[in-house]
Amino acid sequence: GEDVEQSLFLSVREGDSSVINCTYTDSSSTYLYWYKQEPGAGLQLLTYIFSNMDMKQDQRLTVLLNKKDKHLSLRIADTQTGDSAIYFCAEIPLFMTTDSWGKFQFGAGTQVVVTP
Amino acid sequence: DTEVTQTPKHLVMGMTNKKSLKCEQHMGHRAMYWYKQKAKKPPELMFVYSYEKLSINESVPSRFSPECPNSSLLNLHLHALQPEDSALYLCASSLLSTGRETQYFGPGTRLLVL
Repeated sequence: GEDVEQSLFLSVREGDSSVINCTYTDSSSTYLYWYKQEPGAGLQLLTYIFSNMDMKQDQRLTVLLNKKDKHLSLRIADTQTGDSAIYFCAEIPLFMTTDSWGKFQFGAGTQVVVTP
Repeated sequence: DTEVTQTPKHLVMGMTNKKSLKCEQHMGHRAMYWYKQKAKKPPELMFVYSYEKLSINESVPSRFSPECPNSSLLNLHLHALQPEDSALYLCASSLLSTGRETQYFGPGTRLLVL
């Protein structure tokens, strides 16, 4: 199974806050990422958090990290229709080695649907 | 500039064809990656080049052959593909320095194998 788990679907009303959750297993991961993918497009980097932080805010985005529980969340304030997409959390090792193959891990992705 | 470009955007090929996917970045990144992504699934790492040295994912079939002519360019040569290889192929790059290894993705090439 995957080392990074996410809920698969989230429906939210326009203007409300969205919270997307992610759990990971590798406590040695130094950076954790959130990517957004719109239909037919590549992955767009949204934000990242360093493992010695517990919170990071960037405009409408707030990332919370609970390292003890290996839980990561992304909160989108004032969700807009343009936020409808699939959101992937990912753990990527600081240094890539042949032992790190399994550590290039994306979660399954959370499909966020924003309704008017 | 955080742009990774990929060509072509779409590709249809038969099982006997030979084709190549191309990826380019001019951010001075020293690591480049190929991912395969099926619909509604996360990307799966295929190959990594770091400082133009290849690391292979042993599970990737030999009908996929990567090439890194220089630190800005990455190719994926395709030969004798199967219909199940139809997917979105994503290229990414990262700086490869001490510190975060943020990967920047291209828009992808959507491949259909008939």
